[in-house]
Amino acid sequence: QKEVEQNSGPLSVPEGAIASLNCTYSDRGSQSFFWYRQYSGKSPELIMFIYSNGDKEDGRFTAQLNKASQYVSLLIRDSQPSDSATYLCAVYAGNNRKLIWGLGTSLAVNP
Amino acid sequence: NAGVTQTPKFRILKIGQSMTLQCTQDMNHNYMYWYRQDPGMGLKLIYYSVGAGITDKGEVPNGYNVSRSTTEDFPLRLELAAPSQTSVYFCASKGTDTQYFGPGTRLTVL
Repeated sequence: QKEVEQNSGPLSVPEGAIASLNCTYSDRGSQSFFWYRQYSGKSPELIMFIYSNGDKEDGRFTAQLNKASQYVSLLIRDSQPSDSATYLCAVYAGNNRKLIWGLGTSLAVNP
Repeated sequence: NAGVTQTPKFRILKIGQSMTLQCTQDMNHNYMYWYRQDPGMGLKLIYYSVGAGITDKGEVPNGYNVSRSTTEDFPLRLELAAPSQTSVYFCASKGTDTQYFGPGTRLTVL
């Protein structure tokens, strides 16, 4: 069974620190990787996607992908209280029709 | 562009009642999805569709039915509501790769 695993947290960081969120996946054939943010009571919203090994930066967010280790991470620099949310990692199954979702990591940024 | 819209936002059903959750997207996406999310849990795929007239089961299809007669609409039908179907239901559509979510329907079955 194809799986995506995340540490459930909660991960607590002080305001201004770097938050590091990690995700591992089981399907070696996966090609597309996504990070979504979900505030309590709201729907998931896309933060970033990454397809290639290495780093991809977008503002305060950096996604890192290592296909050999089957590992994808999200770094949030200069964390703000507004970043407090659950972060969901998702990976497409081989045919790119269905996303396999992790259970999410809860992040709390303390002022 | 409204994106993905869902109605209703909230609903309380009695056991055995039926209802349809509506989902509409205006992005001309072929792929559409229905998920449920229980408190503190991840997203579970109920059904998905790759285009008008084509649907397929996800992880948890029992107790639900779908149809896709147009590109825009993907309704989810609950025929005999059970307490185990109390959940938040999200509809999503997929562009090139990214899935875009509607605001969700919070359903309680008593």
